[in-house]
Amino acid sequence: KAGVTQTPRYLIKTRGQQVTLSCSPISGHRSVSWYQQTPGQGLQFLFEYFSETQRNKGNFPGRFSGRQFSNSRSEMNVSTLELGDSALYLCASSLGRAGGTSYEQYFGPGTRLTVT
Amino acid sequence: AQSVTQPDIHITVSEGASLELRCNYSYGATPYLFWYVQSPGQGLQLLLKYFSGDTLVQGIKGFEAEFKRSQSSFNLRKPSVHWSDAAEYFCAVGALNTGTASKLTFGTGTRLQVTL
Repeated sequence: KAGVTQTPRYLIKTRGQQVTLSCSPISGHRSVSWYQQTPGQGLQFLFEYFSETQRNKGNFPGRFSGRQFSNSRSEMNVSTLELGDSALYLCASSLGRAGGTSYEQYFGPGTRLTVT
Repeated sequence: AQSVTQPDIHITVSEGASLELRCNYSYGATPYLFWYVQSPGQGLQLLLKYFSGDTLVQGIKGFEAEFKRSQSSFNLRKPSVHWSDAAEYFCAVGALNTGTASKLTFGTGTRLQVTL
């Protein structure tokens, strides 16, 4: 079974621009979560989508948004980029249903975003 | 609010030696606990998880972890470290309920260096 894929792997943007990152979950997984990883703040939860609805949200400004499509693929958008948005953005998928093992999250390789 | 503490930022062990990485969590109810490993430039790989049952759990690559509720700990162990185990290790906690189980809180990580 193919793992979680993220595109693009690397991205360089200029301050003030916007960016869209894509995540394709493991087949059959309906939950997609996004995390930001930086040297200073570590791994921080952005949001989770389940069946095309945002189910959980972290403490990030409204410039960070996402969506999920009917095939469970998810996109994350960051508008008005700031230098501090430079990070590794990780996507994780899980079955997302009730039941312990359903919440195991499997991570993609990440998208490295550099804002200049 | 849930939190995770990994007190050791960096650990160096000799190849063949045993390893224990510490993890302490704070959560009011039964936690859902994970250990992930991250190699440079890569995403996170799930090593093992605990959500109920036997408090000693076995994972991939010869790793195991023991859940101790009285100490709020979930330490990762390996009896004999291989040079390929050099990486960063993250402990994470999730809430074991349908709504927020996917919202993982991560520790700051422990970087493991293996000397030959």
